[in-house]
Amino acid sequence: GENVEQHPSTLSVQEGDSAVIKCTYSDSASNYFPWYKQELGKGPQLIIDIRSNVGEKKDQRIAVTLNKTAKHFSLHITETQPEDSAVYFCAASPPENTGNQFYFGTGTSLTVIP
Amino acid sequence: EAGVAQSPRYKIIEKRQSVAFWCNPISGHATLYWYQQILGQGPKLLIQFQNNGVVDDSQLPKDRFSAERLKGVDSTLKIQPAKLEDSAVYLCASSLGWGSYNEQFFGPGTRLTVL
Repeated sequence: GENVEQHPSTLSVQEGDSAVIKCTYSDSASNYFPWYKQELGKGPQLIIDIRSNVGEKKDQRIAVTLNKTAKHFSLHITETQPEDSAVYFCAASPPENTGNQFYFGTGTSLTVIP
Repeated sequence: EAGVAQSPRYKIIEKRQSVAFWCNPISGHATLYWYQQILGQGPKLLIQFQNNGVVDDSQLPKDRFSAERLKGVDSTLKIQPAKLEDSAVYLCASSLGWGSYNEQFFGPGTRLTVL
C-alpha cells in the first residue's frame, strides 16, 4: 500500500515568517493530496488539496506544490499567525478504483511564536 | 450544516473490557470511515463503508474489532476485548461520495484509554 513520510515532526517559527512542511509518497498512482489541520481536541480539518494534474495551488496565505516525478509535495504557509499553531497532516489517495482511502503522514506540530 | 458527531468524547476502561463508539455522519454522506489515531501519529484507516456495505476493512483487527452501519447512516465501532495498545483517538469521518477527490469531514474523535 501507499506510504507517506512527513518532515519535520515539529516546527517553530516567528509570527510573520513562513513555514514549509514536506511530504513524500511511494505509490506513483496516487492522484489526490489533501492537507489537514488538527487543533487540540478536534478532528482534522481540510485546509487545501491538490490533484495530480496540477503543480501548484494557492489559497490566500496557504499554498501546496506537487512534484509527481519526485513523488513529493509541500505545504507553504506565509505570514504565519498564532492561530496557525496546530498539527498538520499530509495525505495521499490512490485512484478511484481503490475507493477514497487516505494514507496520512505522521504529522507536523507547528508553533507560531508571537 | 451540522458536522460529524461522535460519542462519547472520552472513555477509560480496563484491558479485556469491551467498549463501543458511535458516529453520526453528515446528512446525505454515503461514505463513512473509522480511523485510529495513536498519539503522535497520523490517522490510520480501520474500515470504510459505502452506504451500509463494507468497502475496505483490511486494516481492522477482526479478532477484536467490529463495526456496523445500520441503514446506511449511523455507525458503531466496537472493541472486545480491549488491549493496552488500543489506547488511541478513534476518528469517524464521512464523505459525499466514494471516488477520488471526495473531501473527508472528520468528527472530534473519541479518546480511549485502556488501563
